[in-house]
Order: sequence, then C-alpha cells, then structure tokens
Amino acid sequence: EAGVTQFPSHSVIEKGQTVTLRCDPISGHDNLYWYRRVMGKEIKFLLHFVKESKQDESGMPNNRFLAERTGGTYSTLKVQPAELEDSGVYFCASSHLQLTSGRGGTQYFGPGTRLTVL
Amino acid sequence: AQSVTQLGSHVSVSEGALVLLRCNYSSSVPPYLFWYVQYPNQGLQLLLKYTSAATLVKGINGFEAEFKKSETSFHLTKPSAHMSDAAEYFCAVTKNSGGYQKVTFGIGTKLQVIP
Repeated sequence: EAGVTQFPSHSVIEKGQTVTLRCDPISGHDNLYWYRRVMGKEIKFLLHFVKESKQDESGMPNNRFLAERTGGTYSTLKVQPAELEDSGVYFCASSHLQLTSGRGGTQYFGPGTRLTVL
Repeated sequence: AQSVTQLGSHVSVSEGALVLLRCNYSSSVPPYLFWYVQYPNQGLQLLLKYTSAATLVKGINGFEAEFKKSETSFHLTKPSAHMSDAAEYFCAVTKNSGGYQKVTFGIGTKLQVIP
C-alpha cells in the first residue's frame, strides 16, 4: 500500500510569490490533515478535511492560506502571497474514518514539504 | 485543552545504552497518546500508540512506552540503543474535535547515539 505522498519535497520562493503544495493521501482514507512545523517549534495543526469538506480549519494562520480537496482525493495548500514567517515544513496526514464511533483512525504522515521564503 | 511536554530537546546515549525519552501530558479527558519518529529526510512514522487498553505499549524497533496516569507520563524507552535509532522523536496527544482527531505534538527530542 502506497503511503502519503507530498509534492514538492522542497520549495524555495521569494516573499510575495505564490506556492502550491500537494498531498496525496493513502487510498481510501477520508480524513486528510495538514500540519506545519516552523523551525524550532512544535508541529501545529492547520486543518482537517473529511472527504471534500473542511471539518476544522481553526489552525490556518490567516487568509493567505487556502486549502482545497476537490473530489475528496488529493489536497492542495496554496500560500498567496508568501511571507517570510511561512517558512517551515508542511506535513500532510491521512486516516480512515471510523464510522462506528466517528473517531478518526491512526494518522499516517507524509514526508513533508520544506518551504523556504526568502 | 490538551498538551504534551517533552523534557529534553536533545538526548545523547551510547550505543547499547538505555534510551529514555520523557513525555508528560495534560488532558481533561482520557487521552490517546502517541510517539512518532522522524528519521533524517523522511516523514513522521508511528512508533506506538496508547488507546486505553494495556498501559504498557510495545511499538516497532524495540521501543515501548508506559502510560502512568498518576504521573501523567508516557515515557518512551528502549533497552539498548542502536545507531539506527538516531532520529527525532515526537510525543503527541489527540484532541477530539467534533468526534475527529486533531493531534497535538510536543516540541520533539533529537536522539543522538554515540558509537
């Protein structure tokens, strides 16, 4: 079974530019999560999709960040325009939706995208 | 709110020595606790998880963790360190959000194994 994949692995852009990160979850996983780790800090939750719907986007830093999951498969996270403080590693995770309890299953993480904003 | 605190951002052990990585949690409800590992240039990998069954949880690569409610701890141990254990380890707790999981991570502990 293929794991969670993310593209690109690294991205270096200048302040003010736009970057789009992509995440392909494990096939069949309805839950998809985005997290971010700024250097020296904790990995922080950004948002959560159940299929194509945003379940919780309380961790999104501001309206420069836009996440989509059209069709309930892969997801994109766009940063426009990028600022210096957006630099960090962006992780995506996916899990099964456990219908009996409504709780999501164990989250499986991708390798992350390292974003550097100059 | 739920949180985890990892004591020691860097830990060094000799090859063959005991590995002990400390994690304390704060939770208003019975928590689900996890340890993840990130090897160099790789993603986060689940080492083990506690879900209110057995308090001693065994994971991959010889790691285990014990849930101690009285101490609000979930320390990670391995009897004998191997060079390949050098990585960053994250303790994490889930927060229910409308019935779904939102993972809250500790700051991470980098483990160095000295030959």
